[in-house]
Amino acid sequence: QSALTQPASVSGSPGQSITISCTGTSSDVGGYNYVSWYQQHPGKAPKLMIYDVNNRPSGVSNRFSGSKSGNTASLTIFGLQAEDEADYYCSSYTSSSTSLPFGTGTKVTVL
Amino acid sequence: EVQLLESGGGLVQPGGSLRLSCVASGFTSSSYVMSWVRQAPGKGLEWVSGISGSGGSIYYADFVKGRFTISRDTSKNTLFLQMYSLRAEDTAVYYCTKSVGGYYYYGMDVWGQGTTVIVSS
Repeated sequence: QSALTQPASVSGSPGQSITISCTGTSSDVGGYNYVSWYQQHPGKAPKLMIYDVNNRPSGVSNRFSGSKSGNTASLTIFGLQAEDEADYYCSSYTSSSTSLPFGTGTKVTVL
Repeated sequence: EVQLLESGGGLVQPGGSLRLSCVASGFTSSSYVMSWVRQAPGKGLEWVSGISGSGGSIYYADFVKGRFTISRDTSKNTLFLQMYSLRAEDTAVYYCTKSVGGYYYYGMDVWGQGTTVIVSS
């Protein structure tokens, strides 16, 4: 299964906003609104932050926002906080197979 | 409290078999798609397999290629992953997950703590 492409790292200062991209194709990200985003702290299980491109599960801060344009989905973190330092992964439905590809992962560093 | 608890991981020799289990509590797992996701040491997330609430629809990642079998016992709220012909590259933490809704590609909103599988001689 082909992984979706994410930047290896993104950084920002406390209070700033950052955006993580997730690039696929018209067979996955671009063609369907089934993109999810996960946050993972070291040694912990992942946590769902966004599903269906821009829906937040109950309990997730509204500082996290999802969007999509063409074949690229994005996760924006507003008002960056120290606790946001973690790895982030996207995933998307794909019509190419019955697999569920994940992104390559992005390490977010709070400076 | 909604929880998933995996078990069954361990050290196994190449070519060996292992059966992972995941017990759900705090919700009726038969109402949701459940999946297995793995993470090799220092690597990213990799979806392995998913199964519908009824067990009637099953999906596998391409790399499974008939080596793994997912199943569930709805009476015991338990999910399984039977793994055969294990290879070194199957070494990973295996997570059990619950989907938000009725399809495997929906977001996974509940994750277990993971069980570690090590394939080595």
